[in-house]
Amino acid sequence: NAGVMQNPRHLVRRRGQEARLRCSPMKGHSHVYWYRQLPEEGLKFMVYLQKENIIDESGMPKERFSAEFPKEGPSILRIQQVVRGDSAAYFCASSPLPGTSGYGAGELFFGEGSRLTVL
Amino acid sequence: QQQVKQSPQSLIVQKGGISIINCAYENTAFDYFPWYQQFPGKGPALLIAIRPDVSEKKEGRFTISFNKSAKQFSLHIMDSQPGDSATYFCAGVTGNTGKLIFGQGTTLQVKP
Repeated sequence: NAGVMQNPRHLVRRRGQEARLRCSPMKGHSHVYWYRQLPEEGLKFMVYLQKENIIDESGMPKERFSAEFPKEGPSILRIQQVVRGDSAAYFCASSPLPGTSGYGAGELFFGEGSRLTVL
Repeated sequence: QQQVKQSPQSLIVQKGGISIINCAYENTAFDYFPWYQQFPGKGPALLIAIRPDVSEKKEGRFTISFNKSAKQFSLHIMDSQPGDSATYFCAGVTGNTGKLIFGQGTTLQVKP
């Protein structure tokens, strides 16, 4: 059973360009989460999505950032007009329906991350 | 109120020693407290977790001690090994949200 797949693993963008990060959850998982890890900092929640729905986007910056999880295909985190402060590792995580199969609400399965560098 | 404070920021332990990482939380609505382990260049992976109605949970060399009244919990790694060298994050979460509030992380180095 493949884990959470993220691509690209590394992405370099110049200021003002767009970054698109993709995440395919584990098979059978219908919940996707995006977290951001800034250098020397912990992980910060950004957004929680189910198929075709944004459940909680309270951690998303108000501008330039958007996320989707379409009916078909991977989840996408999109950053428009990137700035140097966007340089970070972006982690996607997935979980099965919370509360089922013995999984606790905090048991997320993380991908290996996409590391964005903005020049 | 959402914060989880973690200490120390870094820790060096000799092989065979005990590693102790502490966390304190403010949000009394948290009902699940997982610990994640992250190796360089990798994503975090769930290590062990506890619910607040339990004071201690042990899995192999890893033990969580939980003090609900003090709103504190800690991770103990017994017989620490060089392979345990990683960054450890504590977290709190409320309900079935998957919205983890992480501590700042502790970088553990176990010297051979």
